[in-house]
Amino acid sequence: GDSVTQMEGPVTLSEEAFLTINCTYTATGYPSLFWYVQYPGEGLQLLLKATKADDKGSNKGFEATYRKETTSFHLEKGSVQVSDSAVYFCATSGGYQKVTFGTGTKLQVIP
Amino acid sequence: EAQVTQNPRYLITVTGKKLTVTCSQNMNHEYMSWYRQDPGLGLRQIYYSMNVEVTDKGDVPEGYKVSRKEKRNFPLILESPSPNQTSLYFCASSFTGVAGYTFGSGTRLTVV
Repeated sequence: GDSVTQMEGPVTLSEEAFLTINCTYTATGYPSLFWYVQYPGEGLQLLLKATKADDKGSNKGFEATYRKETTSFHLEKGSVQVSDSAVYFCATSGGYQKVTFGTGTKLQVIP
Repeated sequence: EAQVTQNPRYLITVTGKKLTVTCSQNMNHEYMSWYRQDPGLGLRQIYYSMNVEVTDKGDVPEGYKVSRKEKRNFPLILESPSPNQTSLYFCASSFTGVAGYTFGSGTRLTVV
């Protein structure tokens, strides 16, 4: 079945630092790829998505590019803020109902 | 406001006492799903539904039941809860899977 591997956390960065959270996946066919964010005490929110190879998803300064050749979908942000502190989940959807999540990466941004 | 509403937010129960966690969405989404979140394991799908009266098992369906009698509602039923079902549960809905899911705020269940 599908699987998603994310870098282990927690990741601790100073404010305005550059962020990369690595994500690789295994899936059959041509899955859609997602990043979700979970703030403390809340449900997951869709952050960005990409539906085909070479697509770049972007939102709130975050970006990720669908790399089929390396089966990766790394999340990046040029300058993180304290308010970005949260848990980030990479996910793949090979079908409308089947979404496979990674284990999540906790990001802590310190002033 | 478009949302997925779960109730209750917190629940403590005893082993074997049947319970239901409700989930309702107001976006006319066809796809709905239940997940449990456990430390170090991420989110695992319990059951999903593609439309009214159409449901199927996810990765960890044992000990759970669901029903989809109306499009907006997708309750999760634990007939005989056990301590290993202590977890954080999320309901989610989507118009199409490729558009991504909208999640509820979660239900933290403790079974003692």
